[in-house]
Amino acid sequence: AQKVTQAQTEISVVEKEDVTLDCVYETRDTTYYLFWYKQPPSGELVFLIRRNSFDEQNEISGRYSWNFQKSTSSFNFTITASQVVDSAVYFCALRHSGAGSYQLTFGKGTKLSVIP
Amino acid sequence: DAGVIQSPRHEVTEMGQEVTLRCKPISGHDYLFWYRQTMMRGLELLIYFNNNVPIDDSGMPEDRFSAKMPNASFSTLKIQPSEPRDSAVYFCASSFMGTRQIEQYFGPGTRLTVT
Repeated sequence: AQKVTQAQTEISVVEKEDVTLDCVYETRDTTYYLFWYKQPPSGELVFLIRRNSFDEQNEISGRYSWNFQKSTSSFNFTITASQVVDSAVYFCALRHSGAGSYQLTFGKGTKLSVIP
Repeated sequence: DAGVIQSPRHEVTEMGQEVTLRCKPISGHDYLFWYRQTMMRGLELLIYFNNNVPIDDSGMPEDRFSAKMPNASFSTLKIQPSEPRDSAVYFCASSFMGTRQIEQYFGPGTRLTVT
């Protein structure tokens, strides 16, 4: 069975602080995909990043960076110099890599509030 | 290119009424997914289609729920009769599995309230 745990239910930071959102996953598969989605107050789900299990390179996109560590089954997300527009619920998700296994298993989400 | 389109954005109905939610996927995408989001259960996959054919409907909660995809550009999720516990945000998502770009793109959601 697959499982995604986002232990931080809510985080509050002051603008310009760095913040890391944790994601720990469980799977028996050797190959899989990990995702992060953002859900701002307006409600839509916005795709941020996809990571393949065979690619452990960390990735940086502007103020966003992701740290994938297979050894600890973690895929953490860091926002550097946070801004008010980063306030949202962030979801980590997991998917099998095999054909016919397209279901995303989502974590419960972490609500990030960035205070001006 | 337009994203996934869902209608209506908000729906308020009385218990026992039929509700139909609509989705237009991104053009060229061959997979379509229906999800439900509630505070208690988070995001749950209800059903997904590949090339308009339902592949896995194991997440559909009851026979009151049905989904169709008559063509590549349109899908519906119907609840008949609706109940207060069906109140949730329903998302439609689409993706293209033909390449390595497999991520699902979500629509804005339909917020359903059943009174």
